[in-house]
Amino acid sequence: QKEVEQNSGPLSVPEGAIASLNCTYSDRGSQSFFWYRQYSGKSPELIMSIYSNGDKEDGRFTAQLNKASQYVSLLIRDSQPSDSATYLCAVNKDAGNMLTFGGGTRLMVKP
Amino acid sequence: ETGVTQTPRHLVMGMTNKKSLKCEQHLGHNAMYWYKQSAKKPLELMFVYSLEERVENNSVPSRFSPECPNSSHLFLHLHTLQPEDSALYLCASSQGTGTPYGYTFGSGTRLTVV
Repeated sequence: QKEVEQNSGPLSVPEGAIASLNCTYSDRGSQSFFWYRQYSGKSPELIMSIYSNGDKEDGRFTAQLNKASQYVSLLIRDSQPSDSATYLCAVNKDAGNMLTFGGGTRLMVKP
Repeated sequence: ETGVTQTPRHLVMGMTNKKSLKCEQHLGHNAMYWYKQSAKKPLELMFVYSLEERVENNSVPSRFSPECPNSSHLFLHLHTLQPEDSALYLCASSQGTGTPYGYTFGSGTRLTVV
């Protein structure tokens, strides 16, 4: 089983819709969770972090964490074509800051 | 300059060459990382430095040799690489390794081994 697992996609949504990206992780001791956005040919950019069960909202982005079920998700409301990118889930599993990344989900927002 | 800067942006090298990748961060962070990103594979952690000391070597072949002379600079020395080492090499920094901060990534070096 992969440590951090994401559906590779592509996930295709129409402009204005809600995009839902999911991530599961294997280590129950994981403590911190991050979502990165990576445009084609560019480096990853941190967009959300979440540490506690529940929802965390930042603008059009909402991160959701459920430690009992070992999944973390990212919702993008009012999706725009500029949101088209690969979204990487990253998990920190111990007191250190070494992140384990999933393979990423490619999101395509169609006008 | 701001953020995390990597040079060169692109590098083509033969299998017998020796080259170095450079990373510099201007964020006052004290932890730096090298990651490898290959096509259709997750980001792979290679090396971690905290306060200039290596704290993690994720079973990387010895043909990759890191160097961290101070908390702002990180190098990756390359020698006798293989074609399968062709990838995007990303440098990142964070405020520390004892607390779960997110990383700031550099733009990466696209390496091609011929």
